[in-house]
Amino acid sequence: GAGVSQSPRYKVAKRGQDVALRCDPISGHVSLFWYQQALGQGPEFLTYFQNEAQLDKSGLPSDRFFAERPEGSVSTLKIQRTQQEDSAVYLCASILQGSGTYEQYFGPGTRLTVT
Amino acid sequence: DQQVKQNSPSLSVQEGRISILNCDYTNSMFDYFLWYKKYPAEGPTFLISISSIKDKNEDGRFTVFLNKSAKHLSLHIVPSQPGDSAVYFCAASDTGRRALTFGSGTRLQVQP
Repeated sequence: GAGVSQSPRYKVAKRGQDVALRCDPISGHVSLFWYQQALGQGPEFLTYFQNEAQLDKSGLPSDRFFAERPEGSVSTLKIQRTQQEDSAVYLCASILQGSGTYEQYFGPGTRLTVT
Repeated sequence: DQQVKQNSPSLSVQEGRISILNCDYTNSMFDYFLWYKKYPAEGPTFLISISSIKDKNEDGRFTVFLNKSAKHLSLHIVPSQPGDSAVYFCAASDTGRRALTFGSGTRLQVQP
């Protein structure tokens, strides 16, 4: 089936604006992850859902970051009062629970630029 | 505190030769390791993985070696092809925590 999709692909926000980034995981994938990738760095973990339950949010950098997955499929990452240091690519990944593997399938990412 | 390190930011090899990408880790709780390949403007694509109970895993031209005592793993690509030119990320996970910890990547360029 289709892979992980993310929208928008590019987002420019003025400092102080709120943004919402969407992730559609692979159909049937129970687990969903969000990562932040700064320029020249590897992805860094933000948060993890199993179905609609947010099991780990230890990577969220501040209380301005909020993620939800209310029906256990589509997820939204919201950043309030954006700052320049929030500029990064935000990646979503999903994994089939019970597959016995750890391979996460990534979407193309949303590049956020805060001006 | 970087738990997964890729100390070579870039690597250039000739087509047909072997590419060796290295990765070191510090967290002894990691028990599963993965390599991802990334092209510009795309998300990382899974390449190959290895469990800590093994020391080698092979898939076609790609082989990953794990040395647990040295906390070191490497990815070998033989023979290298121009289409392999990309950024390669090493990642690690532990059973209790599903999140992946990534290195900073190595840009591989395969010269025709």
